[in-house]
Amino acid sequence: QSALTQPPSASGSPGQSVTISCTGTSSDIGGYNYVSWYQQHPGKAPKLMIYEVSKRPSGVPDRFSGSKSGNTASLTVSGLQAEDEADYYCSSYVGANNFLYVFGTGTKVTVL
Amino acid sequence: QVQLVQSGAEVRKPGASVRVSCKASGYTFTEYYIHWVRQAPGQGLEWMGVFSPSGGTTSYAQKFQGSVTMTGDTSTSTVYMELRSLTSEDTAVYYCARGKPDYWGQGTLVTVSS
Repeated sequence: QSALTQPPSASGSPGQSVTISCTGTSSDIGGYNYVSWYQQHPGKAPKLMIYEVSKRPSGVPDRFSGSKSGNTASLTVSGLQAEDEADYYCSSYVGANNFLYVFGTGTKVTVL
Repeated sequence: QVQLVQSGAEVRKPGASVRVSCKASGYTFTEYYIHWVRQAPGQGLEWMGVFSPSGGTTSYAQKFQGSVTMTGDTSTSTVYMELRSLTSEDTAVYYCARGKPDYWGQGTLVTVSS
């Protein structure tokens, strides 16, 4: 399975919003509502920010929101804060005949 | 609290094998899948496969079919990932992760060098 496509970088000033796209196919993003988003700071393990397209785990600020349209999922970070500067990865379940997952290529978010 | 604790860093020569362990605690071990994900230096996340502790079943990414084996021990709540025929391109941090995945281990650096 091929990696999901994300823009390499995105940026915004403190307080602004940034939206990251994640494009797949009808076999992954478009076929299932099992899209997740992860935040990763340098040298750290990824942290789950959004699961099942738009659900937030306990403890994740409501500044983080997710959505999906067709084969593309999106993560929006509102009210950008300095600590939001990190790499972000999407992932999706890939059904068909097997229990498979795929990650996105990753997006570096810079807070200007 | 949920914890996944992985084994320490490993150094291997090309052609060798490596086994990384992931010990789970703080939840019922058999109720959640365990994924393995790797990240080469400066690169993105790559899903390798998943292990079901309840039934011992596995599903591997096509890229790793034939070179990876994931197993588990319910008596110690530990999952293992073995990668064979290592090359320099297998140098990476290897993570185990539970379920969605939601909780992640701390990562294990595997270095392949002659």
